[in-house]
Amino acid sequence: DTEVTQTPKHLVMGMTNKKSLKCEQHMGHRAMYWYKQKAKKPPELMFVYSYEKLSINESVPSRFSPECPNSSLLNLHLHALQPEDSALYLCASSSAAGGPTDTQYFGPGTRLTVL
Amino acid sequence: AQTVTQSQPEMSVQEAETVTLSCTYDTSESDYYLFWYKQPPSRQMILVIRQEAYKQQNATENRFSVNFQKAAKSFSLKISDSQLGDAAMYFCAYRRLYNFNKFYFGSGTKLNVKP
Repeated sequence: DTEVTQTPKHLVMGMTNKKSLKCEQHMGHRAMYWYKQKAKKPPELMFVYSYEKLSINESVPSRFSPECPNSSLLNLHLHALQPEDSALYLCASSSAAGGPTDTQYFGPGTRLTVL
Repeated sequence: AQTVTQSQPEMSVQEAETVTLSCTYDTSESDYYLFWYKQPPSRQMILVIRQEAYKQQNATENRFSVNFQKAAKSFSLKISDSQLGDAAMYFCAYRRLYNFNKFYFGSGTKLNVKP
């Protein structure tokens, strides 16, 4: 059973559309992450929020815009995407305590297709 | 920079048999954490097992165990009594001791389980 939820499961959008991906966790975690994953490849880190502040932006194009309204929610706003942005977008969360149990827990992902 | 290498893109194992997945990493740090994640087809990524580098004892979780060789910078995963549900992509990951934000993932190994 997943404790990190993501909506929608699938999304098809045109290059001129604006859409948003949503992620939610109720584990009391204070760090949340967005990853992009292509087929048969490892996840690539995009953004990290720590205590609701953006702490890492891995040089992601501005057509991706993250938002962390509160410690449980993470959004990824999409605008003017390119077909090469089609991928599985994974959300993850972790406690941010920094110790050995500070493990990332992943959501099921949103499968994005850009036409 | 830390790098994680999984040299086996794909492996197969017969049901009920044992298989070992390899992972090596490169780091100049003495303390860190290592993880194995499993990603079944079209399902979410889940943590299989983790190892703290300062612990000499190899981690074990039911049918999953690791062979951690710190000097050789090797972290292999052994799956005993393989089951059909073990079929998945397996990713090895490295995390620095005090930096919880970033995981360094290997390229992954696809495990097939034959009935």
